[in-house]
Amino acid sequence: TQLLEQSPQFLSIQEGENLTVYCNSSSVFSSLQWYRQEPGEGPVLLVTVVTGGEVKKLKRLTFQFGDARKDSSLHITAAQPGDTGLYLCAGVGWSSGDKLTFGTGTRLAVRP
Amino acid sequence: SAVISQKPSRDICQRGTSLTIQCQVDSQVTMMFWYRQQPGQSLTLIATANQGSEATYESGFVIDKFPISRPNLTFSTLTVSNMSPEDSSIYLCSVAGLAGAWEQFFGPGTRLTVL
Repeated sequence: TQLLEQSPQFLSIQEGENLTVYCNSSSVFSSLQWYRQEPGEGPVLLVTVVTGGEVKKLKRLTFQFGDARKDSSLHITAAQPGDTGLYLCAGVGWSSGDKLTFGTGTRLAVRP
Repeated sequence: SAVISQKPSRDICQRGTSLTIQCQVDSQVTMMFWYRQQPGQSLTLIATANQGSEATYESGFVIDKFPISRPNLTFSTLTVSNMSPEDSSIYLCSVAGLAGAWEQFFGPGTRLTVL
């Protein structure tokens, strides 16, 4: 069974602060996706990383895929209240077809 | 991406009854999936809905409890059968295979409460 552990589990910060969320596994993934989910809604895809060592930027969000394709990180610069939500990483294994294995989740609250 | 709708958006049901959740996509997709998300938790895959054949269930989920239909490339249903309070959860459908891409996009979810 492929497991994706996210840390921290909960994070409450002040507007303007920076933060990093980690997604770690002992398994190798062919690709990894990051989602944000707000209450009452489904997860919304933020980014997909597919190459080991890849870095992608989406405005104030920076995503990195580990060289060994076992881990990933999400860094948010100057967090805003609109960044509040549940952040989920999800990996596609080499032998799992299109099935996603979701991480344990990080709940972020940004206080104004 | 695609526009994905689910019906109902929420329901409160009595134990022992069954509820069928519908998932409709506005374009043809290769893959459709059903997930469960318990309060405050991450997502767990229930099954892959296969068009024209039986769904593929993950460990811990069985067809008798969660029968799934997928009559075409834009529609699927998940039934939660003989419900108990432990089935209270959010049920989400997702799709993949839009324009050949394999990224998954999610519906808004169905919040189920079983009394």
